Amino acid sequence: NAGVTQTPKFQVLKTGQSMTLQCAQDMNHNSMYWYRQDPGMGLRLIYYSASEGTTDKGEVPNGYNVSRLNKREFSLRLESAAPSQTSVYFCASSELRGRYNEQFFGPGTRLTVL
Amino acid sequence: AQSVTQLGSHVSVSEGALVLLRCNYSSSVPPYLFWYVQYPNQGLQLLLKYTSAATLVKGINGFEAEFKKSETSFHLTKPSAHMSDAAEYFCAVIIGSSNTGKLIFGQGTTLQVKP
Repeated sequence: NAGVTQTPKFQVLKTGQSMTLQCAQDMNHNSMYWYRQDPGMGLRLIYYSASEGTTDKGEVPNGYNVSRLNKREFSLRLESAAPSQTSVYFCASSELRGRYNEQFFGPGTRLTVL
Repeated sequence: AQSVTQLGSHVSVSEGALVLLRCNYSSSVPPYLFWYVQYPNQGLQLLLKYTSAATLVKGINGFEAEFKKSETSFHLTKPSAHMSDAAEYFCAVIIGSSNTGKLIFGQGTTLQVKP
């Protein structure tokens, strides 16, 4: 049981390049999330998917797109990378249960845009 | 709007001393509150959560937090710090539906433990 996995762990891009960050979970969770973490700002939600087939914008969606490929996988795409997108990206998943929403996080992808 | 504020971006304690990390929330409805810990170069791990069952919540690694509605606070404590507690700690609140809601995180507090 690997939990939430993310690839790649590290990536360096040049301004204008595109790339896709991959995320997969093996916990049969319905909901999945993408966050970015920047110093002094905590984690900010980029996009989320409450269930397979649905996606919604979070707090900072500009410059990103997502795809919920199936129940397990949720990818984040940067179409034209900018230096402001240098950050650590975390994927998370949660199961709809009870009255709370415990999220499980992947190890993160460190992205640098030059 | 629901949000959380963590007081102090950096807290330093001696090994064996009390750990107190502060979190205040704003919410127009009863909140669901969480504390997460992030060890260096790792993802976030849930320490504990408040879901209105009990005001004093015990978590992993000896941490606990007390929900105080009158003070809108959910401070994290540990009686005796260990070197392995050095990490970044995040307070978070759910917004929207309690089943499908989104987490809003505080800015984080880095805990340093001195020998």
